[in-house]
Amino acid sequence: QVQLVQSGAEVKKPGASVKVSCKASGYTFTSYGISWVRQAPGQGLEWMGWISAYNGNTNYAQKLQGRVTMTTDTSTSTAYMELRSLRSDDTAVYYCARGDWNYGDYWGQGTLVTVSS
Amino acid sequence: DIVMTQTPLSLSVTPGQPASISCKSSQSLLHSDGKTYLYWYLQKPGQSPQLLIYEVSSRFSGVPDRFSGSGSGTDFTLKISRVEAEDVGVYYCMQGIHHPWTFGQGTKVEIK
Repeated sequence: QVQLVQSGAEVKKPGASVKVSCKASGYTFTSYGISWVRQAPGQGLEWMGWISAYNGNTNYAQKLQGRVTMTTDTSTSTAYMELRSLRSDDTAVYYCARGDWNYGDYWGQGTLVTVSS
Repeated sequence: DIVMTQTPLSLSVTPGQPASISCKSSQSLLHSDGKTYLYWYLQKPGQSPQLLIYEVSSRFSGVPDRFSGSGSGTDFTLKISRVEAEDVGVYYCMQGIHHPWTFGQGTKVEIK
């Protein structure tokens, strides 16, 4: 069965960076992309960007351009999302989702990133 | 960015009764390829979002047939024919025709 298992919760100081991993199993990793979506406490869902696991092409949300980098490691079927220059409003649960350009079907369990001094 | 607007924002339903959620987009979600890129997700308490409906009306694998989606262009509806206790949570519509994906505000469904 398709599974996406994300790395554990992180606590970071403002200005630091965080790198969240998403390990996929149960399907051919390079046949799909991975999107990242975040959810601030008590808030809705915000799309952050997408990466093709086939060729590494990316598309990022404009508001995060310059601060976010998405990568994949096909040898371990793992996707990564790095967010730099963290601010308090980056505090959120970060989700990876398998899918194509248009949507995500299976989602990871989420990773809580807390930004606090 | 495409704005997705859901109504109502909360719904209290008696088990066994129907429920309906509306979602409107600020521009058409019909692509030139003939597909309409409108999706419905349910986020149960403390869980990740799970896909219910893709491309307006297709149920995802394992989704009970009491869930149905309809609509076209900019107006869409999710219906639950007979609400069950396990259906509680927040329902989101989402457009995937353009990046960035954008989501509705969410509709919280609770059981009376």
